[in-house]
Amino acid sequence: EAGVVQSPRYKIIEKKQPVAFWCNPISGHNTLYWYLQNLGQGPELLIRYENEEAVDDSQLPKDRFSAERLKGVDSTLKIQPAELGDSAVYLCASSSRTSAHNEQFFGPGTRLTVL
Amino acid sequence: DAKTTQPTSMDCAEGRAANLPCNHSTISGNEYVYWYRQIHSQGPQYIIHGLKNNETNEMASLIITEDRKSSTLILPHATLRDTAVYYCIVFMVYNQGGKLIFGQGTELSVKP
Repeated sequence: EAGVVQSPRYKIIEKKQPVAFWCNPISGHNTLYWYLQNLGQGPELLIRYENEEAVDDSQLPKDRFSAERLKGVDSTLKIQPAELGDSAVYLCASSSRTSAHNEQFFGPGTRLTVL
Repeated sequence: DAKTTQPTSMDCAEGRAANLPCNHSTISGNEYVYWYRQIHSQGPQYIIHGLKNNETNEMASLIITEDRKSSTLILPHATLRDTAVYYCIVFMVYNQGGKLIFGQGTELSVKP
């Protein structure tokens, strides 16, 4: 079974440019998460989806960040315009309500560098 | 903010048991203790979780004190591949699901 797939793995852009990250969760997982991880820190939740509904986006900076999960499967996270402080790893995770352990499965992340 | 406190780093000799402590003195009665680890350049990986009883699986054991204010993750025979950052997380259930709040974790170095 394939794990959570993210692309691209690395992205380098100049400040003020837009950028988008894509995530394909594990098949059948109804819950999808986007996390931000700064260097030396633990991941921080940006947004959580239950199917296509964003049920927690309280930590998403909505002035420049947006996300969508139109068909309740894969998802896109966008930053427009990017700032120097957005340099970080963006992690996607998914989980299933039927999982005995309620665990989240993480992708490898996209490392963003803003110059 | 994370509700857990962990040492910043620990070393362990290969083949020996690694005991990683975690304090969670403000844990609520219905909150679970979860452990994840993150190997360099990978996403976090679930290890184990528990409510109040000790738990064991193929990866590790989890010992939770009777008052639930602290716990210890035990890797019984650490290998070099266990070198990673280990996160102790109090799992808060809300709004149809749960929210993992990661702290800074413990960086475990397993040395030959």
